[in-house]
Amino acid sequence: KNQVEQSPQSLIILEGKNCTLQCNYTVSPFSNLRWYKQDTGRGPVSLTIMTFSENTKSNGRYTATLDADTKQSSLHITASQLSDSASYICVVSNTGFQKLVFGTGTRLLVSP
Amino acid sequence: NAGVMQNPRHLVRRRGQEARLRCSPMKGHSHVYWYRQLPEEGLKFMVYLQKENIIDESGMPKERFSAEFPKEGPSILRIQQVVRGDSAAYFCASSPQAGRADTEAFFGQGTRLTVV
Repeated sequence: KNQVEQSPQSLIILEGKNCTLQCNYTVSPFSNLRWYKQDTGRGPVSLTIMTFSENTKSNGRYTATLDADTKQSSLHITASQLSDSASYICVVSNTGFQKLVFGTGTRLLVSP
Repeated sequence: NAGVMQNPRHLVRRRGQEARLRCSPMKGHSHVYWYRQLPEEGLKFMVYLQKENIIDESGMPKERFSAEFPKEGPSILRIQQVVRGDSAAYFCASSPQAGRADTEAFFGQGTRLTVV
């Protein structure tokens, strides 16, 4: 069964600190992995998209890594800001945008 | 260039009523996807449409749910005879090209349906 599991479920960090969110998946066949940020009451916004051949991709203070062998990904946030408080969703694709498999997300709270 | 527009943002319906959710894709986008997010769950694919065509409706319940994307106007997700279990956030996404695995699509802000 295609699944995406994320950890931790929720996380609280102090402003300015770094954090790393984890994602494990069993989706097959694999095409690409995406990380989305979803603010409360909003739609998801894409942070990164990585294909099978990419190990790391950065978008500002966000850096995603992918290990296709172990089927694991991480999202590292550096120098966190209050505006980073949101849910971060790991999404794996196999055969098209309509076939995306979404994780349930990690709820991040950045505290002043 | 406005983003994907969904309306209404919030919709309350009594059991047995009909719910109509609208999605206007980004300008120039002809592909629309609908997703449903139940409380504490991840988004689940429902239906993929191009103008006037349903391409993939494998995630949509066979009964009470229907979707359309007419030549003119927004895409509509219609839920007939709503039940409490239909309460969820419904998100629409649009893309300018076919639904390849690396397609970049943009999400609307969602419609939160509450059935009372």
